[in-house]
Amino acid sequence: AQSVTQPDIHITVSEGASLELRCNYSYGATPYLFWYVQSPGQGLQLLLKYFSGDTLVQGIKGFEAEFKRSQSSFNLRKPSVHWSDAAEYFCAVGVGFKTIFGAGTRLFVKA
Amino acid sequence: GAVVSQHPSWVICKSGTSVKIECRSLDFQATTMFWYRQFPKQSLMLMATSNEGSKATYEQGVEKDKFLINHASLTLSTLTVTSAHPEDSSFYICSARGGGGSSYNEQFFGPGTRLTVL
Repeated sequence: AQSVTQPDIHITVSEGASLELRCNYSYGATPYLFWYVQSPGQGLQLLLKYFSGDTLVQGIKGFEAEFKRSQSSFNLRKPSVHWSDAAEYFCAVGVGFKTIFGAGTRLFVKA
Repeated sequence: GAVVSQHPSWVICKSGTSVKIECRSLDFQATTMFWYRQFPKQSLMLMATSNEGSKATYEQGVEKDKFLINHASLTLSTLTVTSAHPEDSSFYICSARGGGGSSYNEQFFGPGTRLTVL
C-alpha cells in the first residue's frame, strides 16, 4: 500500500542554521510529491511539488527538495532557517486521485 | 494558482445541532472535492471524496449519516455535520481537483474550518 513516512516527529534548529526534513514514500510508480507547511490554526500552504523532470525542486520561502528514486525519498531543505519557519511540515504523495499525507514534522526554531 | 475557499472559517455550536461547511473553487471547475479532518497535532485524515453530481465515497470508519456531503455543482461542495457532539470538534479542510479521470491531478486546499461543539 502507498504510504508516506516522516521519521521525525519534531526537530529543533537554531535560527540561521540549515534544515533538512526527511520524507520517504512507498509507491510503485513515479510519484507526485509535495511538501506543505501549516502554521497553528491555519490551512495548508504548498511549499513545492515534484511531478517530473529535474529532481531538485525549488519552492517558496527559500525551500528546496530533492527527489531520490533510489532511496524513495523527497527530503526538504533550507540553508538558513528563520524564526518564522517554525510550523508543521507535511510531506505528501499523489496516488490515483488521492493525496496521502505523512504524519508531519513539527519544526521548532530557537534563537 | 487555483483558489479554494471555505466558509465559515470557524464555528461554535451547541451539542445536538447541525453545522454546514461550504467549500468553493473560485477560479476553476472542481470535478472532485475531498474532505479532510485534522485532530490537534495530527495529520490530515481523508474523510470522503465527492464527485459533482454523484454520491460521496466515504473512507472506512467515517459515518456517512453523520457527515453528509453534497457536491451539487462544479464549484461547490458542502459538509454537514449532523447532530454534532463535542467529539466532532476538529479542523475540517477541503480540497478540490480539476480535470477528470482516475489519474492524479493536483489538489488545491482550502484554509480550513475550525468546528467547536459545546
